[in-house]
Amino acid sequence: QVQLLESGPGLVKPSQTLSLTCAVSGGSISSVGYYWTWIRQHPGKGLEWIGYIFYTGNAYYNPTLKSRVDISFDMSENQFSLNLSSVTAADTAVYYCARGPVNTALGNSIDHWGQGTLVTVSS
Amino acid sequence: DIQMTQSPSSLSASPGDKVTISCRASQSISRFLNWYQQKPGEAPHLLIYAVSSLQSGVPSRFSGSGSGTDFTLTISSLQPEDFATYYCQQSYSTRSFGGGTKVEI
Repeated sequence: QVQLLESGPGLVKPSQTLSLTCAVSGGSISSVGYYWTWIRQHPGKGLEWIGYIFYTGNAYYNPTLKSRVDISFDMSENQFSLNLSSVTAADTAVYYCARGPVNTALGNSIDHWGQGTLVTVSS
Repeated sequence: DIQMTQSPSSLSASPGDKVTISCRASQSISRFLNWYQQKPGEAPHLLIYAVSSLQSGVPSRFSGSGSGTDFTLTISSLQPEDFATYYCQQSYSTRSFGGGTKVEI
């Protein structure tokens, strides 16, 4: 059973870069046929997709965040990362990493989620 | 970008009730529509994928239907553990979520 665990600073100063890592266990991030994604949830609000990276290494981002986001693999550590630059208080949220199958029969859904980590942007 | 609109944003129901939640896409997404359940303090989890297929372990009182732009999640007989927030999500083009429907007692 794949498990995902987010880690990173819980507090980031405005204008700095938010950096989170998602450690994957029970499966390899290089496995063919999966994508790895970041999703966030502002306090008391709904889910916002940030971006994903395919097993091929190709990454796609939410257009509203695209200029500030980078998602990448660290194959040696079996983890993937999120970098979000120039943060403001509006980036305060719970950040989830997750995995989904690249499989139309499975709806390209998101079938495994991390527990989430709260990141607060404040000076 | 594909926008997903859920209705209602919240509803009150009693155990045993039949509940229906709607989700509309801003353009056709074929059958690339998934539903998630989220309880307070927890991560979301997958309920239904590809419109109508139940994820393993999900009770049969949950069902999904629709195609194109209009989709529905139905809970046939609401159980106490079903009080939660439900999100639809399209996976036709990148990803986006509906705003959520909170099912309250």
